[in-house]
Amino acid sequence: KAGVTQTPRYLIKTRGQQVTLSCSPISGHRSVSWYQQTPGQGLQFLFEYFSETQRNKGNFPGRFSGRQFSNSRSEMNVSTLELGDSALYLCASSWTSGNNEQFFGPGTRLTVL
Amino acid sequence: GDSVTQMEGPVTLSEEAFLTINCTYTATGYPSLFWYVQYPGEGLQLLLKATKADDKGSNKGFEATYRKETTSFHLEKGSVQVSDSAVYFCARVGLSSGSARQLTFGSGTQLTVLP
Repeated sequence: KAGVTQTPRYLIKTRGQQVTLSCSPISGHRSVSWYQQTPGQGLQFLFEYFSETQRNKGNFPGRFSGRQFSNSRSEMNVSTLELGDSALYLCASSWTSGNNEQFFGPGTRLTVL
Repeated sequence: GDSVTQMEGPVTLSEEAFLTINCTYTATGYPSLFWYVQYPGEGLQLLLKATKADDKGSNKGFEATYRKETTSFHLEKGSVQVSDSAVYFCARVGLSSGSARQLTFGSGTQLTVLP
């Protein structure tokens, strides 16, 4: 069974631009969570989607948004990019919302210049 | 709120040495606890987990015991290998209605094993 896939793996943008990252969960998984990983702040929860609905949101500004499609694939969008948004963005999937075991993708490395 | 405090790194050991990485969590209820490992350039892999007090999670020679009395979940391995070099994260799942679906991570511990 294929694991969690994330595209693109690497991305370079400039300040003020917007970016969309994609995540395909493990087949059959319906919950997708997003995390931001930076050297300074570590791993921080962004949001979780289940059945196309956002179920939980971390403490990030409104520039960070996401959505989930009927096939459980998810996208996250960051608008008006700032230098501090440079990070590894990790997606994780699980069978259901609230399920304890999450499976992570390889991440998308975003660099904002 | 929910938090996890993890032993500061980096940790450098010789091959076959004993490993302990300390982890403590805030004692709000009885959260499920996890250790994840991140190899260079990769995402996180679940290493082991424990869902209730006194549970022992184990995998690939690594062990951790859920200690309610000390709110700890220390990671141990009796004999490390060079291939164990990675960053290790302790994590808990939230319990409140607003955080039940998110993992809260420790700061990570970089382990380097020398041959």
